[in-house]
Amino acid sequence: QKEVEQNSGPLSVPEGAIASLNCTYSDRGSQSFFWYRQYSGKSPELIMSIYSNGDKEDGRFTAQLNKASQYVSLLIRDSQPSDSATYLCAVGRFQKLVFGTGTRLLVSP
Amino acid sequence: GAGVSQSPRYKVAKRGQDVALRCDPISGHVSLFWYQQALGQGPEFLTYFQNEAQLDKSGLPSDRFFAERPEGSVSTLKIQRTQQEDSAVYLCASSERDRPNEKLFFGSGTQLSVL
Repeated sequence: QKEVEQNSGPLSVPEGAIASLNCTYSDRGSQSFFWYRQYSGKSPELIMSIYSNGDKEDGRFTAQLNKASQYVSLLIRDSQPSDSATYLCAVGRFQKLVFGTGTRLLVSP
Repeated sequence: GAGVSQSPRYKVAKRGQDVALRCDPISGHVSLFWYQQALGQGPEFLTYFQNEAQLDKSGLPSDRFFAERPEGSVSTLKIQRTQQEDSAVYLCASSERDRPNEKLFFGSGTQLSVL
């Protein structure tokens, strides 16, 4: 079992729709949870972090964490073609981040 | 500097050749990380420095991989006797403090191709 699991996709949504990205993790001692966006050929860019159970909203992005279910999600409202990228879930314990393989999101105009 | 700088951007090596990849973190950042990202995969942790001390090297895949950060700023990842399976993007990241949950700033990476 991988430490951080994501569906590789692609997840295809029309412009203006809500994109829902999911991630599960295996280490119950994990302390921090991040979503990174990575455009093709570029480095990962942090878009959301969440540390406690519940929802955290930032603009069009909402991160959700459920530690009991070991589940993290990212919702992107009003999806835009520019949101098309790979979204990496990363889980932290102490100083080390473990990444999932990423979900490729395609937003069609 | 303004961001994490890595060089070279691209490196082509013949199998068996040694390579050195450089990372220049954001000035003053305490923590520095190296990750390896194979095509279509997420970044895989290689090693971590707190200033000049290498605190975790559990992700280095073999003894052909060696990293150093002698003065607590610039870091070099060296790969000896490169193999085709070493072909990947090598990402360097730094963070301001040595605390859990710190935001990581990534460099643009070095794409290594071993022929």
